Amino acid sequence: DQQVKQNSPSLSVQEGRISILNCDYTNSMFDYFLWYKKYPAEGPTFLISISSIKDKNEDGRFTVFLNKSAKHLSLHIVPSQPGDSAVYFCAASEGGGSEKLVFGKGTKLTVNP
Amino acid sequence: SAVISQKPSRDICQRGTSLTIQCQVDSQVTMMFWYRQQPGQSLTLIATANQGSEATYESGFVIDKFPISRPNLTFSTLTVSNMSPEDSSIYLCSVGDAYTEAFFGQGTRLTVV
Repeated sequence: DQQVKQNSPSLSVQEGRISILNCDYTNSMFDYFLWYKKYPAEGPTFLISISSIKDKNEDGRFTVFLNKSAKHLSLHIVPSQPGDSAVYFCAASEGGGSEKLVFGKGTKLTVNP
Repeated sequence: SAVISQKPSRDICQRGTSLTIQCQVDSQVTMMFWYRQQPGQSLTLIATANQGSEATYESGFVIDKFPISRPNLTFSTLTVSNMSPEDSSIYLCSVGDAYTEAFFGQGTRLTVV
């Protein structure tokens, strides 16, 4: 039973436009959510996180939105750049921090020049 | 963020043999974790490597198959024992604590033939 779901295996957008990556979760005990980016042959790189006490967190071009009632979060990238092309993983944990992260299967983002 | 070095980066192994993966961190860390990413799947936590005591394994993973050592606060090893083709995966070392995001090594791509 997948507790964290990324239902779009892939997404393609034009350079300069907004990329929106979605993630749904089923475990209401999750209270800390993270997004990671992964290039081929590299480990995941931390992008941005959000605690369940917030509904939005921004860091430069990246914004994460959390809708607790819908058990849904999204990552917005504005403007999208070709270097953003990678696989993006959504992850969640109970109790915050690094312990027992549960990951989605990832969404492959392609940003076209 | 910590710099995490994982060795080997990739290997091709015969079934029935064992492979030990090393994870070295450039600073002392509280928590070290081992994840597995099977082809087309999400990252799954294998175990938490505890310094000075036995690792804590997640459901579906056992010490006989995935023995883990953590002799100090900067180093850990994961052994994949008696390998079969189903063990072909990317194995990832991760570090973090209870209050921050997790950081990952570059991963070990294992192919069992």
